[in-house]
Amino acid sequence: GQQLNQSPQSMFIQEGEDVSMNCTSSSIFNTWLWYKQDPGEGPVLLIALYKAGELTSNGRLTAQFGITRKDSFLNISASIPSDVGIYFCAGHRGGTSYGKLTFGQGTILTVHP
Amino acid sequence: DAGVIQSPRHEVTEMGQEVTLRCKPISGHDYLFWYRQTMMRGLELLIYFNNNVPIDDSGMPEDRFSAKMPNASFSTLKIQPSEPRDSAVYFCASTLGGATNEKLFFGSGTQLSVL
Repeated sequence: GQQLNQSPQSMFIQEGEDVSMNCTSSSIFNTWLWYKQDPGEGPVLLIALYKAGELTSNGRLTAQFGITRKDSFLNISASIPSDVGIYFCAGHRGGTSYGKLTFGQGTILTVHP
Repeated sequence: DAGVIQSPRHEVTEMGQEVTLRCKPISGHDYLFWYRQTMMRGLELLIYFNNNVPIDDSGMPEDRFSAKMPNASFSTLKIQPSEPRDSAVYFCASTLGGATNEKLFFGSGTQLSVL
C-alpha cells in the first residue's frame, strides 16, 4: 500500500541527546499522527495534529504539522533509555476515510545509556 | 479499560493449515480494523468494520483471507489455506469514530509464522 516517506530509518544516540525525525508525502493529509511501538507490542498514539502549522507538545515530545500539509516532524528532547522503540508517522485524510491511516516505514530509535 | 485484546499472541502453523486470529475491541468503539505488519511493507490496512459491518476490504490480499465481526465485542481474521508469505504480525485496532475516528488504539498483535 501507499507509504509515507519517513526518515531517518534508524538512529543511535546517547542518553540526554535530542532527536528529530520527519515524514513527507506527495499528497495532502488533514491529520498527522505519531505513534510509538515497543518490542512485541502494538503502536501507541503519542501526538495527533489537526491543523497546518500546528505545534503540539506531549511532555518531552513536540510535533509539528507542516504548513503544506504534506509533512510532519517529531522532536524528542533529552532522550532517556525508555524512548527506545519504533516511531511511526501516520496520515489521515479525514472525511469518510474513517480510521484509514497511511503509515510511514518507521524510525528505529536506540538510546545508549 | 483493558484495551484491545488479541489472541493468540503467537501462532506457528504449517503451510496449508487454517489460521484464525481473534480480537476484542475496546468496549463502546464502533470501528474495528485489521492491520498487517511486515518488514517489507510496513503497516497495511486489511479490512475495517463499522458497527459490525465490513466497510472496506480492499486491503485483503486474496480470497484466502476472510474477516468477520459477529457482534460488537468480537472479530476474527481467518487465513485458509495459510502460506509462508502470510507470516507477519497482525494487529487489530479500534476507534470510537465521530470526530476522533483517526485515533486508533492497537492491540498487542498476533505474531504468525507459517512454516
